[in-house]
Amino acid sequence: DGGITQSPKYLFRKEGQNVTLSCEQNLNHDAMYWYRQDPGQGLRLIYYSQIVNDFQKGDIAEGYSVSREKKESFPLTVTSAQKNPTAFYLCASSIGDSLNSPLHFGNGTRLTVT
Amino acid sequence: AQSVTQLDSQVPVFEEAPVELRCNYSSSVSVYLFWYVQYPNQGLQLLLKYLSGSTLVKGINGFEAEFNKSQTSFHLRKPSVHISDTAEYFCAVTYSSASKIIFGSGTRLSIRP
Repeated sequence: DGGITQSPKYLFRKEGQNVTLSCEQNLNHDAMYWYRQDPGQGLRLIYYSQIVNDFQKGDIAEGYSVSREKKESFPLTVTSAQKNPTAFYLCASSIGDSLNSPLHFGNGTRLTVT
Repeated sequence: AQSVTQLDSQVPVFEEAPVELRCNYSSSVSVYLFWYVQYPNQGLQLLLKYLSGSTLVKGINGFEAEFNKSQTSFHLRKPSVHISDTAEYFCAVTYSSASKIIFGSGTRLSIRP
C-alpha cells in the first residue's frame, strides 16, 4: 500500500541536542511538507518542498532545517536553536502544489525534549 | 489577512444524535475547501473536499459539508454520529491568491453513549 512513513513514533532528546525526524513516501508525490501541531492549535507549516533539491521556509522555520535529496524522502532536523521543540510533527505530501491537491499525512512523530 | 475560523474548540454530542461542526473563512474570490479528521496519535485523513460544482459535498463515514459563498462558510454535518467518530476535525482552505493551505484550529468531537 502506498503511503507516508514517519519514524520514530516517539522520540526523546535532551535539550541542546539536534534530532532528525524521518519522512518517506512511496506515493510518487512531488510536493512534501512538514507541520508542527501543538495542543489546541491548528497545523503550522515549517518547511515545504515542491521538487527535489529545492525547499522553502514556511511560517515557523526558525530552528529547523530540511533536505530533499530524493523525491521519496524529506527529513526534518530540529536544531538546538529551536526554543520550544516539544511537539507533534506531521509530514505530508501532495501530487502537485497544495492549492487543490489534498494532503496525505503520515502518522506523526511525537518529540519530547527535556 | 486570509484566515480560517472554527468557532467551537469542543463539541460534545450523544451517540446517534446529529452534529454540525462550523467553519468560516475570510472572503476571497476563489477558494478550495477541505475537512480533515485526526484520530488520537495519528495523522490527518481527508474527509471531503470542495473544488467546484455542487455546493453540497459528500465525504467518507457519512459526513457531508455545504459550501456557502455568501456566508463564507463550509460547515460539516452528520445526521447520526457513532462512538467511532470521536476525533478532532480540521477545516482547511487554500486561496487562489496564496500558495499554501491554511488550517483552522480544530474542533474536538466527543461522543457520549
